[in-house]
Amino acid sequence: GENVEQHPSTLSVQEGDSAVIKCTYSDSASNYFPWYKQELGKRPQLIIDIRSNVGEKKDQRIAVTLNKTAKHFSLHITETQPEDSAVYFCAAMRGGSNYKLTFGKGTLLTVNP
Amino acid sequence: DSGVTQTPKHLITATGQRVTLRCSPRSGDLSVYWYQQSLDQGLQFLIQYYNGEERAKGNILERFSAQQFPDLHSELNLSSLELGDSALYFCASSVTAGGQETQYFGPGTRLLVL
Repeated sequence: GENVEQHPSTLSVQEGDSAVIKCTYSDSASNYFPWYKQELGKRPQLIIDIRSNVGEKKDQRIAVTLNKTAKHFSLHITETQPEDSAVYFCAAMRGGSNYKLTFGKGTLLTVNP
Repeated sequence: DSGVTQTPKHLITATGQRVTLRCSPRSGDLSVYWYQQSLDQGLQFLIQYYNGEERAKGNILERFSAQQFPDLHSELNLSSLELGDSALYFCASSVTAGGQETQYFGPGTRLLVL
């Protein structure tokens, strides 16, 4: 089955710095890769996603890159702000009749003011 | 607010008991997903329903079952509860647009098994 590895498990940065979280996946049939942000005690919220036919996607301060050959994808947050502090989860999804969505273990990001 | 509702918010019960968690998807969403989030296992996909039919199964135990009703709300039944079943249970509903599916999570039900 799919195995999604996420690193690092914790990340502390200074406000204004960039943060990068990396994930690798094992199932070559995975074709959709969402990233979720989960604040303490709240629900996961989709912040950005990328499909396997695209190498990079950007939304304001957040970007995701995908390397299908190497089976890894990364989340990049620039100009971090204290409100970016949360747990971030990557996921890999295989759609269709063999649907499977596998999450990484999460990264606790702390942005220090 | 994602538009997905879950009840109850909190549930405390004893080992061996059975509980039912309820989820109402966003208006118009046909798919409902159930997830379990625990400290040791992380966020795990349990099961998906689409328009009343089971569509996909993840890491769902045999003691757990789910169903989706004609009005599209879904229930997750957890039986013979064990201490390790204590977790946050989320449901999500999804919309597909332009060939892309986006899932919206509910607020979750926090289950504590004593």
